[in-house]
Amino acid sequence: QVQLVESGGVLVKPGGSLRLSCAASGFSFSDHFMHWIRQAPGKGLEWISYISHTYTEYAAYADSARGRFTISRDNAKNSLYLQLNSLRAEDTAIYYCARGDYFGPGGLDSWGQGTLVTVSS
Amino acid sequence: DIQMAQSPSSLSASAGDRVTITCRASQAINDYLNWYQQKPGKAPKLLISGGSSLQSGVPSRFTGSGSGRDFTLTINSLQVEDFATYYCQQSYRTPHTFGQGTKVEIK
Repeated sequence: QVQLVESGGVLVKPGGSLRLSCAASGFSFSDHFMHWIRQAPGKGLEWISYISHTYTEYAAYADSARGRFTISRDNAKNSLYLQLNSLRAEDTAIYYCARGDYFGPGGLDSWGQGTLVTVSS
Repeated sequence: DIQMAQSPSSLSASAGDRVTITCRASQAINDYLNWYQQKPGKAPKLLISGGSSLQSGVPSRFTGSGSGRDFTLTINSLQVEDFATYYCQQSYRTPHTFGQGTKVEIK
């Protein structure tokens, strides 16, 4: 079955950096757009970024992430990544990876359990 | 960015009730509208994509409708397991913004 497992969430100081990983299994990873979504404690969902399945230089970001976060993937390793730089307190959230469709604009039909990033001094 | 306005932000209902949640986009998004259900401490679950396409395994009491700017999620005969928070999301244009959520609580 489809499985997505995030890792890498930790407590980090403001201004620090972090790389999140998402290990995928149970499906053809290279056939799907992949997304990162986050949820601050007690708040709603915020779409952060997505990356194309084959043209991995094709990615898009929310304004809150652009210039500080970088999405990437390694199709040979069935893995998705999110590099977070210049972290701020407002980046504190659970970060989810999710599977999109082949063409890009579909719904997110599988989600990981999330990994918690806490930004605090 | 496309803004998604969901209403109401919360509602109280009883098991067996019919519940309607609306989502309005700040511009036309064709039918690139998805609905998710999230229970406390869990990841969201996709219920409906493309405005009205029910995901496999999702009960038929969930229906989605709408096109353009205005969309509706209807839950017919609310069940105990349906008490959760529901989010709409547009996937017409990046960023793929979510609505603020609707919490469905037990009356």
